[in-house]
Amino acid sequence: GENVEQHPSTLSVQEGDSAVIKCTYSDSASNYFPWYKQELGKGPQLIIDIRSNVGEKKDQRIAVTLNKTAKHFSLHITETQPEDSAVYFCAASIRGSQGNLIFGKGTKLSVKP
Amino acid sequence: EPEVTQTPSHQVTQMGQEVILRCVPISNHLYFYWYRQILGQKVEFLVSFYNNEISEKSEIFDDQFSVERPDGSNFTLKIRSTKLEDSAMYFCASSSDRGRFYEQYFGPGTRLTVT
Repeated sequence: GENVEQHPSTLSVQEGDSAVIKCTYSDSASNYFPWYKQELGKGPQLIIDIRSNVGEKKDQRIAVTLNKTAKHFSLHITETQPEDSAVYFCAASIRGSQGNLIFGKGTKLSVKP
Repeated sequence: EPEVTQTPSHQVTQMGQEVILRCVPISNHLYFYWYRQILGQKVEFLVSFYNNEISEKSEIFDDQFSVERPDGSNFTLKIRSTKLEDSAMYFCASSSDRGRFYEQYFGPGTRLTVT
């Protein structure tokens, strides 16, 4: 079945710097790749997603890139702010956004003021 | 903004007892899911539910687990005889089947502690 690996497990950056989190997936049939942000005591919140027919997607300070050949996708956060501090999860699905999501282990991002 | 809600936020139970975790999905959503996250591990898919039946389930979702939509608003996960290894955070999620956006929206979770 699908397996998603996520790196790094922890990431510390200075406010204003960029942060990059990378994920790889194993099943070439995967076609939907969401990113979730989880703050302490809350459920995962979708922040951006990308489908396999697109190579890049951007939403203000957040962007996601997908390389289907290499089977990896990345989250880029520019101009980081302290409120970006959270755990970020990548996920993949072979049945679009309504299929079961296979998650990575998460990255704890700390943005230091 | 509509959101998925879950009750209780924390449930403590003894091994062998039955527990029911409750979720109220977003009102116009038709796909429902349960995931769990053991402390320090990945979020894992358990089951998806559509049109009053299970559409997909993982190997974790064995005969001890069941799901039900008892009325038009609630979606429940029942664990028949809890084990220590069932201790985890359980997340409910829902998604729509129409419109442009089909994303899965997650609830805040129920922390289940089995002693």
